[in-house]
Amino acid sequence: IAGITQAPTSQILAAGRRMTLRCTQDMRHNAMYWYRQDLGLGLRLIHYSNTAGTTGKGEVPDGYSVSRANTDDFPLTLASAVPSQTSVYFCASSDSQTGGGYTFGSGTRLTVV
Amino acid sequence: GQNIDQPTEMTATEGAIVQINCTYQTSGFNGLFWYQQHAGEAPTFLSYNVLDGLEEKGRFSSFLSRSKGYSYLLLKELQMKDSASYLCAVVDSNYQLIWGAGTKLIIKP
Repeated sequence: IAGITQAPTSQILAAGRRMTLRCTQDMRHNAMYWYRQDLGLGLRLIHYSNTAGTTGKGEVPDGYSVSRANTDDFPLTLASAVPSQTSVYFCASSDSQTGGGYTFGSGTRLTVV
Repeated sequence: GQNIDQPTEMTATEGAIVQINCTYQTSGFNGLFWYQQHAGEAPTFLSYNVLDGLEEKGRFSSFLSRSKGYSYLLLKELQMKDSASYLCAVVDSNYQLIWGAGTKLIIKP
C-alpha cells in the first residue's frame, strides 16, 4: 500500500441496505477525513478524525457514522442507504492541521437505487 | 456563513497562460490550498499559501492577498494534460478545510 486505499471502487446499493466504505492509509497521518463530492457542489466534509480514538461531525454527517480504532483505518458506514447518498466518496488524510496537504484516496463511486 | 467563490468553467489555448481566481469569506484564515482534479480521479495537491505574495512552482504559481480575501492560480505554457478542475480550499479558524466548488479548465489546441 502506498498512500490511501479505498474500497470498493464502485458499488450499486439497494436503498435501505447497510454499507461500509473502507479507507486505509500507511503514512501514519494523524488526521483523516471523509468527503462526498457531487457535481456543482464541490467537496463536502462528512466526518473527520484528528487522531485515533476521536471523531467529529463535518458539514453533512446525517445518515453516516465513522470509527477510528487505530491510526490507519477510518471506515464510513451508511446505516440505511437512501438515493440522496448517491455520490463519489473520498477519504483523505493529513499529517498536521496547518500546512500539511491532504492526501486523497482514489474514491468510491456509490449509487443508491 | 463561509464562502469560497471560483469561476465554474474557463477555456484557454494550449501554450497560453491562464489565471484562475478564488475569493473567500471564512471565519478565520490559516492558509489556502490549490488542488488539481482530473475527471474521475482524486484531487492532488498543487500549492499552499499562508503568507501574502506569490509562490512559484514550475509552470504553476499561486498568489495570496489576505487583506483582500483573494488568491489566484497561474498556469503558464498550458498543456493539454492541464485540462482538469482546480479546487481552492481555505483552512478556517477551526483548522477545517472549506472547499470551493472548483473551476473546470478546458484547454483547446
